[in-house]
Amino acid sequence: DTEVTQTPKHLVMGMTNKKSLKCEQHMGHRAMYWYKQKAKKPPELMFVYSYEKLSINESVPSRFSPECPNSSLLNLHLHALQPEDSALYLCASSQAESQPQHFGDGTRLSIL
Amino acid sequence: GIQVEQSPPDLILQEGANSTLRCNFSDSVNNLQWFHQNPWGQLINLFYIPSGTKQNGRLSATTVATERYSLLYISSSQTTDSGVYFCAVTSGGYNKLIFGAGTRLAVHP
Repeated sequence: DTEVTQTPKHLVMGMTNKKSLKCEQHMGHRAMYWYKQKAKKPPELMFVYSYEKLSINESVPSRFSPECPNSSLLNLHLHALQPEDSALYLCASSQAESQPQHFGDGTRLSIL
Repeated sequence: GIQVEQSPPDLILQEGANSTLRCNFSDSVNNLQWFHQNPWGQLINLFYIPSGTKQNGRLSATTVATERYSLLYISSSQTTDSGVYFCAVTSGGYNKLIFGAGTRLAVHP
């Protein structure tokens, strides 16, 4: 599943910093997703973009701001995060909604 | 919403042993996927199997949609099979992949 590329692989940031996570796929998929995974828990959906439009927001706090500049790229902008936001952030894509999802390797985020 | 239950929660095997992991779901599904998350956190697609049977090398999976369960078979296990196995489903018109809690597998040499 390395056809979905996430950068950076690791990120340490303070609570006042602004940073962005990036996700890219070149499989021609039209749906892209952000998941959050805490230690020893399954991934939980945060956002779904379909044809570059936000279709699902799972009541995520506004300190997480997604952006889909084009069909291949998905960003997650981070601002004023809390220590409890430390987690593995996974990006996925699928050909269309309800089609199998393919995951990137994730970004391990630590908030100091 | 749909519930996804996996069993067993933990499994310890000797290398070469076979195992069966189970996933029960509470409603009809559009999509069912099995994933392996390795110790480095990579989530790897094993099967897309909303119904029927598939095989890939030492792994195979069967989903009986009418009875709302899926099974993942691992034969001749290897230490590299260690990690967490997740079953995940979507249901209805809602494109949200719901994960089970996972089965944590440790294969010892």
